[in-house]
Amino acid sequence: SQQGEEDPQALSIQEGENATMNCSYKTSINNLQWYRQNSGRGLVHLILIRSNEREKHSGRLRVTLDTSKKSSSLLITASRAADTASYFCATDRGSNYKLTFGKGTLLTVNP
Amino acid sequence: DTAVSQTPKYLVTQMGNDKSIKCEQNLGHDTMYWYKQDSKKFLKIMFSYNNKELIINETVPNRFSPKSPDKAHLNLHINSLELGDSAVYFCASSQDEGNTIYFGEGSWLTVV
Repeated sequence: SQQGEEDPQALSIQEGENATMNCSYKTSINNLQWYRQNSGRGLVHLILIRSNEREKHSGRLRVTLDTSKKSSSLLITASRAADTASYFCATDRGSNYKLTFGKGTLLTVNP
Repeated sequence: DTAVSQTPKYLVTQMGNDKSIKCEQNLGHDTMYWYKQDSKKFLKIMFSYNNKELIINETVPNRFSPKSPDKAHLNLHINSLELGDSAVYFCASSQDEGNTIYFGEGSWLTVV
């Protein structure tokens, strides 16, 4: 069964603006990961946050994790047209190498 | 160098045919996966192998049979293809459980 649910399903912003995507999940996790998928391409890992971490940064990316609310957010600051892609959260419950993905948020950054 | 490579990238075939998708990773990872992404972009795990041993088989029809000749390769064979098998199939690998997964570029399968 699907574990993560991203919202919004689609987000359209102007270049330079910040983009925030959210992910909610249902059961306890070991870690949560965010991936990006450009159209017609494979998924690329962005960032991993463990269940005992609350916030993590990587370049223009900031991820937060609230295990009490079973939710995570991905913030992309100063967005660029090249950030246009689908963004997926994936949760790891520590069971047999199974990473469960949400349905993704389609981000469009308009130049 | 491509870390996870899968072939073919595009495959159009008729119902009832048998086809294979090959996957190789040069990252030295112990675990490999097959994921299926449907038309709504929902990504679901099909199989995972760790050191050539099957770990996960997510209620995939028996028509789908993975084969791992060594830990760098995980091929997917599909028998008696059906229209509903049309999707993008992604091969992936990771070093350990709970770590970053590295995906191939996908194989677009269209069954007509």
